[in-house]
Amino acid sequence: EVQLVESGGGLVQPGGSLRLSCATSGFSFSSYWMHWVRQVPGKGLVWVSCINGDGSTTRYADSVKGRFTISRDNAKSTVYLQMDSLRAEDTAVYYCARGAVGAPLVKDYWGQGTLVTVYS
Amino acid sequence: SYELTQPPSVSVSPGQTASITCSGDKLGNKYSCWYQQKTGQSPVLVMYQDNRRPSGIPERFSGSNSGNTATLTISGTQAMDEADYYCQAWDRNTGVFGGGTKLTVL
Repeated sequence: EVQLVESGGGLVQPGGSLRLSCATSGFSFSSYWMHWVRQVPGKGLVWVSCINGDGSTTRYADSVKGRFTISRDNAKSTVYLQMDSLRAEDTAVYYCARGAVGAPLVKDYWGQGTLVTVYS
Repeated sequence: SYELTQPPSVSVSPGQTASITCSGDKLGNKYSCWYQQKTGQSPVLVMYQDNRRPSGIPERFSGSNSGNTATLTISGTQAMDEADYYCQAWDRNTGVFGGGTKLTVL
């Protein structure tokens, strides 16, 4: 069974940092692209970032470029999102998701999300 | 930046057909996909590469994409289909979601 479990969310002040983790199981992790998507409670989905299987290719939304860094540890089947210089508008539930086979930019499994709150 | 536009809400009677549209410049030249999100739950992929259904998604879900519009169609809509639906496409190596459509079955 494919499982994705996010952790690392919490309260942080503007300008602060957080590192989100997404531990996975049930599939050959290193063969899959992985994504982060966020959602302000009650609002829509916003794609944040993705990384390919060996970590050599990363992509970011303009709104987080230069502040967030996606990475992965294939030995631990875990993907990370390092979030620096956080702003109030980064407050959201952050989901990790797996890229589909043959369509890596399509997200076929999602975690339950972790809430990040940036407050002053 | 690329934008996808969805109607905020669509209503349908049980057993009828619901159509949810997603509009974007030359969207038909890109692959679209659709996610369903029920209240308090994580999104679920219901359509990808315009008209391909993932395993486990009922046949009543279908999709199309041409010109500037992608459409998710639910035939014989059931109460369990009530949810928010989001289209997504890729433009210049970034993912773009539509604003979402709340499907009400009444």
